[in-house]
Amino acid sequence: KAGVTQTPRYLIKTRGQQVTLSCSPISGHRSVSWYQQTPGQGLQFLFEYFSETQRNKGNFPGRFSGRQFSNSRSEMNVSTLELGDSALYLCASSLEGGGYNEKLFFGSGTQLSVL
Amino acid sequence: DQQVKQNSPSLSVQEGRISILNCDYTNSMFDYFLWYKKYPAEGPTFLISISSIKDKNEDGRFTVFLNKSAKHLSLHIVPSQPGDSAVYFCACKGTQGGSEKLVFGKGTKLTVNP
Repeated sequence: KAGVTQTPRYLIKTRGQQVTLSCSPISGHRSVSWYQQTPGQGLQFLFEYFSETQRNKGNFPGRFSGRQFSNSRSEMNVSTLELGDSALYLCASSLEGGGYNEKLFFGSGTQLSVL
Repeated sequence: DQQVKQNSPSLSVQEGRISILNCDYTNSMFDYFLWYKKYPAEGPTFLISISSIKDKNEDGRFTVFLNKSAKHLSLHIVPSQPGDSAVYFCACKGTQGGSEKLVFGKGTKLTVNP
């Protein structure tokens, strides 16, 4: 079974631009979550999508948005990029996204650098 | 407000010795706890978990201990191997306001020296 695939692996953008990141979950997984990892803050939850609906949301500004398609693939968009948005963005998938026995399967991430 | 704290950003141990990684949480709603391991240029992978009804869970060289009254959990790796060198994230799961929350700590970088 293929793992979680994130594209692109690396991105360099300048302040004010916008960016779209893509995530293909493991086949059969319906929940997709997005996390931001920075050296100082660790893994911070952005949002979770299940069956094309945002089910959970973290404490990030509205510049961060996402969506999920009918095939469970997800995209994350960041508008008006700021220097502080430089981070590793991780996507994780799970079967249903809930329940205590559910484990997250992470992709390798997209490393975003904002100059 | 940091609900999940890993107070040691880094830890260095000798091969063959025990590695102990600690994690503290503040929110009583958390009742399931997980550890993830992350190598550079890879996503985190699930390592071991424990439910709040237990105080210990063991899987090979990895054991997680939970002290609910102290809101503290720890991961023990015995014996430590160089391949265990990675960043370890503690994660706490619980339900609040009808919504399930999974909160990660900032991670501890473990280095196992040969």
